[in-house]
Amino acid sequence: DAKTTQPNSMESNEEEPVHLPCNHSTISGTDYIHWYRQLPSQGPEYVIHGLTSNVNNRMASLAIAEDRKSSTLILHRATLRDAAVYYCILLNAGGTSYGKLTFGQGTILTVHP
Amino acid sequence: DTEVTQTPKHLVMGMTNKKSLKCEQHMGHRAMYWYKQKAKKPPELMFVYSYEKLSINESVPSRFSPECPNSSLLNLHLHALQPEDSALYLCASSPVGTTYEQYFGPGTRLTVT
Repeated sequence: DAKTTQPNSMESNEEEPVHLPCNHSTISGTDYIHWYRQLPSQGPEYVIHGLTSNVNNRMASLAIAEDRKSSTLILHRATLRDAAVYYCILLNAGGTSYGKLTFGQGTILTVHP
Repeated sequence: DTEVTQTPKHLVMGMTNKKSLKCEQHMGHRAMYWYKQKAKKPPELMFVYSYEKLSINESVPSRFSPECPNSSLLNLHLHALQPEDSALYLCASSPVGTTYEQYFGPGTRLTVT
């Protein structure tokens, strides 16, 4: 499985934008970039995914580098509820009918009031 | 309904007990997953079911026995567990397609005494 590298931790202030980086230099052409987050005492939550183009949804934006070797999850205005562990994961279903997620250590995001 | 439910929320069992964890989704997803998460560690995949058939067993000990009785239900039967099996057990489901984003339940917190 292709591997991702994320900073162990990041800090932000409430109502400021947060840019969470992820490096995936060994990404293959058919790997999708997925982001999940896990709030304290909860199961992981799907955030966003993309392949080549930048993506936006109600939770966040995903900016993907032109060479696809890195990506950035953007939270436009951080709130205290965004404090969580953020996981960047490459997923390649490879013709199967399921997706195998391999979680790394993720980035612990702390949001200060 | 975009929810994955898991019961029970908490479970305490002795090493000689037999118990079962239950997971349910009504999103029409045909892939379902069991993960194990130890404290302060990322989730680890245990089993994957696709169209009610076991597709992946990540070398999980036989004291864990999964079952998928229909497309909405996933069970994990537990027997003769060890204290080191104490963890948060997470269920997830994903739609069949190309990107397989997964939706997680809140987990069952298992303590083996």
